[in-house]
Amino acid sequence: DQQVKQNSPSLSVQEGRISILNCDYTNSMFDYFLWYKKYPAEGPTFLISISSIKDKNEDGRFTVFLNKSAKHLSLHIVPSQPGDSAVYFCAAMGSGYALNFGKGTSLLVTP
Amino acid sequence: EAGVTQFPSHSVIEKGQTVTLRCDPISGHDNLYWYRRVMGKEIKFLLHFVKESKQDESGMPNNRFLAERTGGTYSTLKVQPAELEDSGVYFCASSRGWSSGNTIYFGEGSWLTVV
Repeated sequence: DQQVKQNSPSLSVQEGRISILNCDYTNSMFDYFLWYKKYPAEGPTFLISISSIKDKNEDGRFTVFLNKSAKHLSLHIVPSQPGDSAVYFCAAMGSGYALNFGKGTSLLVTP
Repeated sequence: EAGVTQFPSHSVIEKGQTVTLRCDPISGHDNLYWYRRVMGKEIKFLLHFVKESKQDESGMPNNRFLAERTGGTYSTLKVQPAELEDSGVYFCASSRGWSSGNTIYFGEGSWLTVV
């Protein structure tokens, strides 16, 4: 039973535009959310996170928004760059230590 | 500072054989995790060590999988006997602490193909 869902397997965006990656979760006990970025043949790399007590966290070009009532979070990348092309995983953590991952969204930023 | 290192990077074995994957966490990281991603599925948690102790092994799929972390340093994940459905990429990760806010760093993964 998948508790974290990324319903868009892929996304293509032009360089300079905004990339919006979405993630939904079902477990209301999750209280910490993370985004990981993964290049081919590499492990996931931590990108940005947000605690459930916040609704927005910003780090440079990356902003994560959390809507707890909708159990939805999104990652905004602006402006998008070709180097941002990768697979982005949404992950959630509850009272345990395990990260619950979505299946990932493959982002392609075209010049 | 060296990252999480995993060995081997790729392994092809026959069904019924044994494979042992090794993970060296970042120095000073007491917390070590194993995850795996099988084809088309999400990355799934297998287990979590705090030093040499298994804190949570709820994600281990069955008793063909054995993880150890003797001495609280590197860890091994043994699959014996391997089955076709064990094919996938096995990620090791580590963190200094275990609470939220402690960044979990992943290795590059060990790709396992069982034929």
